[in-house]
Amino acid sequence: QKEVEQNSGPLSVPEGAIASLNCTYSDRVSQSFFWYRQYSGKSPELIMSIYSNGDKEDGRFTAQLNKASQYVSLLIRDSQPSDSATYLCAGGIYSGGGADGLTFGKGTHLIIQP
Amino acid sequence: NAGVTQTPKFRILKIGQSMTLQCAQDMNHNYMYWYRQDPGMGLKLIYYSVGAGITDKGEVPNGYNVSRSTTEDFPLRLELAAPSQTSVYFCASSYLGLGEGTNEQFFGPGTRLTVL
Repeated sequence: QKEVEQNSGPLSVPEGAIASLNCTYSDRVSQSFFWYRQYSGKSPELIMSIYSNGDKEDGRFTAQLNKASQYVSLLIRDSQPSDSATYLCAGGIYSGGGADGLTFGKGTHLIIQP
Repeated sequence: NAGVTQTPKFRILKIGQSMTLQCAQDMNHNYMYWYRQDPGMGLKLIYYSVGAGITDKGEVPNGYNVSRSTTEDFPLRLELAAPSQTSVYFCASSYLGLGEGTNEQFFGPGTRLTVL
């Protein structure tokens, strides 16, 4: 099993609806999770971080972490065409020497249809 | 603040050539990272550094070297370029490390490298 897995999509959602993005993670991944948005040809931009079990809301975005089931999700309410991008799920990856960087899923391509 | 800057933006190398990808940050971050992103894939960690003089390997370090002589700079060296190193390279930095609290990594604009 890869460390972080996402459905690559594309996920097509009508404008104004809720977009739901999911990822699962393996035992090697730490309990720090991040959602990044990446527009084509651009660098990743942090959208949400979540460290504790449960929900975390920030504006139109809600991140959900379920440690027992090892999944993380991102909900985008009132989806806008500008939300069309690839969303990368990432978690901390540790080696024996301590904290490393992040391990990323392949990303979910989200398309918001006007 | 300029944030994380990377040079060059684009580069084409021939097989066997060497080059250094430059990365600098002006946020006084201790932690810096190098990732590569292949088409349609997520990012993979190459090397990281927890402070000046300290570096360690990530998931895919083979074919690369790094150094960290100052807090600001974290160059990535390719010694003998191979076609498998064709990718987009992102440098990132963070104030804290994983497990130390809120850890947000800020990414540079990337370097698109092609090896022919």
